Amino acid sequence: GAVVSQHPSWVICKSGTSVKIECRSLDFQATTMFWYRQFPKQSLMLMATSNEGSKATYEQGVEKDKFLINHASLTLSTLTVTSAHPEDSSFYICSAPNWDRGRETQYFGPGTRLLVL
Amino acid sequence: AQKVTQAQTEISVVEKEDVTLDCVYETRDTTYYLFWYKQPPSGELVFLIRRNSFDEQNEISGRYSWNFQKSTSSFNFTITASQVVDSAVYFCALSENSNYQLIWGAGTKLIIKP
Repeated sequence: GAVVSQHPSWVICKSGTSVKIECRSLDFQATTMFWYRQFPKQSLMLMATSNEGSKATYEQGVEKDKFLINHASLTLSTLTVTSAHPEDSSFYICSAPNWDRGRETQYFGPGTRLLVL
Repeated sequence: AQKVTQAQTEISVVEKEDVTLDCVYETRDTTYYLFWYKQPPSGELVFLIRRNSFDEQNEISGRYSWNFQKSTSSFNFTITASQVVDSAVYFCALSENSNYQLIWGAGTKLIIKP
C-alpha cells in the first residue's frame, strides 16, 4: 500500500532557529499534500495545503511567513518552521491523497514531534 | 458549514466490554466521505474505515463495526469484546466532494482497563 514518510521523527531545537520537516510519498505521486498540527490532547488542525509547483494555501490564522511550505516535486513537500519559539512545539503530521483501487484515500505520515526550548 | 462532533471526550471500560464511540457530522453536500482513524500513543494515525454518503450499509470488520445513519447524520463506531490494545484516541473525520481536505472531530480517548 501507499506509504508516506516524514523526517525527522522528532527534533529539539533552540528558540530562534529554523526547523525543516520533510514529507515524502514513497510509492506514489502527490500533487497535493496537507500539513497538520496537533497539540497535546487536541485534534488535528489543518495548517495548509501544499500544491506541487504552486504556492501553498494556508488556513486562516496560520502565518505563511512563519511556516514556509515548498512542494518542489511530486513526492516531496517540506515545512519549515522559521524562528521557532516554544509555542511552536507540537506534533506535525503530513498527509497525501492517492487513488487506490478506485477509491481516494488519505495516507498519513508518522508525524514529527517538535520541541522548541 | 461542515462540522464533526465527537461528544465523548474520554471513555473508560473494562476489558471485554463492548463500547460505542459516537460521531455526528454536519454537511450541506450530498456527496461526502466519512472516516475513522485510530491514534495510539505513538502518534501515528491508523486508518480504520472510509464510507461514502451513498453507502449506508453497516460494516463489520472483526471486532469493529460501524453504523452509518444519514437520517441522524451519525457514523458511530463499536468495538466488541474490547482489548487493552484498543486503548487509543479515535478520530472521526469528514471529507466533502473528494477535495481531499478532512474535517476532524475532537477525538475520543478510549481507555481499556485490564
